[in-house]
Amino acid sequence: EIIMTQSPATLSVSPGERATLSCRASQSVSSNLAWYQQQPGQAPRLLIYGASTRATGIPARFSGSGSGTEFTLTISSLQSEDFAVYYCQQYNNWLTFGPGTKVDIK
Amino acid sequence: QLQLQESGPGLGKPSETLSLTCTVSGGSISKSTYYWGWIRQPPGKGLEWIGTINYSGSTYYNPSLKSRVTISVDTSKNQFSLKLSSVTAADTAVYYCARPRVGGAPTYAFDIWGQGTMVTVSS
Repeated sequence: EIIMTQSPATLSVSPGERATLSCRASQSVSSNLAWYQQQPGQAPRLLIYGASTRATGIPARFSGSGSGTEFTLTISSLQSEDFAVYYCQQYNNWLTFGPGTKVDIK
Repeated sequence: QLQLQESGPGLGKPSETLSLTCTVSGGSISKSTYYWGWIRQPPGKGLEWIGTINYSGSTYYNPSLKSRVTISVDTSKNQFSLKLSSVTAADTAVYYCARPRVGGAPTYAFDIWGQGTMVTVSS
């Protein structure tokens, strides 16, 4: 099983600032990596797939990068609706999720 | 617009079998190459993939749950279902049904999700 880890567990950011979230895989997942945003009480929303391709309707302030075992989600200028929990997910070998990073207001 | 809706009992007893159904609207399960999946989330915790199925009944299961999981499809009702046997309190979670973004891929990024249904296992 591929183990996904995310850091930090919590990221405190002021509105308008940049947020950088990290995701690491225990072995290479190539570019088969997705990012999701989850608001309280809601289903996850797909943000990024293929490590760097934004899903339909996702604002350009969200960007993904990386390949192999190291990945990054960047939110260039945090809006109020961006404060949420973010999960990475690999789909290279079965499917596993990271534990999440909570982005909260500083 | 494709929509997914989970349904089923919100409460189950230890050792019993949990049964949930996902109804697909706005599209046909049998007229697509997509797989259809189940994912769960224990309260306050992360996400866990349970398994996926396609219109012909081909299934892929999370190895850690495989011995207890059965996913089936009913194309006449445009539904797919989850059965999880021998449940314990650790199976208490919100259960989501979801569809991968790409057809023909049993595991991929999921871009369409149901709203989720909470299932509590307690005696």
